[in-house]
Amino acid sequence: DQQVKQNSPSLSVQEGRISILNCDYTNSMFDYFLWYKKYPAEGPTFLISISSIKDKNEDGRFTVFLNKSAKHLSLHIVPSQPGDSAVYFCAGARGAGSYQLTFGKGTKLSVIP
Amino acid sequence: DSGVTQTPKHLITATGQRVTLRCSPRSGDLSVYWYQQSLDQGLQFLIQYYNGEERAKGNILERFSAQQFPDLHSELNLSSLELGDSALYFCASSTRTPGELFFGEGSRLTVL
Repeated sequence: DQQVKQNSPSLSVQEGRISILNCDYTNSMFDYFLWYKKYPAEGPTFLISISSIKDKNEDGRFTVFLNKSAKHLSLHIVPSQPGDSAVYFCAGARGAGSYQLTFGKGTKLSVIP
Repeated sequence: DSGVTQTPKHLITATGQRVTLRCSPRSGDLSVYWYQQSLDQGLQFLIQYYNGEERAKGNILERFSAQQFPDLHSELNLSSLELGDSALYFCASSTRTPGELFFGEGSRLTVL
């Protein structure tokens, strides 16, 4: 049972435009949701998170939106830059002190100059 | 640089063999997490250690085991290897931010 799903394996966006990466989840017990970014030959790096009691969190060019009723979250990157080209993983965490993350399979973002 | 060190970076071995992957967490971090990234399963949580003790277990096979030593480095032992064990194995340290982990660069295991 895949508790976190990223249905788009890849996404291409023009530089300067908005990138929207989507994620769906089935586990209502998640307390936090996170996005990680991964470049080739590197480990994933934390990007942004959101508590389940919020519906939006913003950090610079990155905004995460949470729709609990739809069990859906999205990551918006505005404006997109070529350096944003990477694989983005959505993850859910259960419990405020939990680091046992349940990851989606990732979406590969390509930002075209 | 996450501060988490993993060795070896690459490892090629045969089915039925046993390997050991090593991880040094960030300086001062007491926790170590192991994750596996395989082609068809994405990143999966395997096991967590805190100050030498096992804290949580995820989807870790019985053929796999881990430990954390007094100097806080950790080892993941994979035995009776199968083709399907070929994957990237990541070690991570935690921070104070819920869910935020610092990952190492990973150890790529290829089982032939």
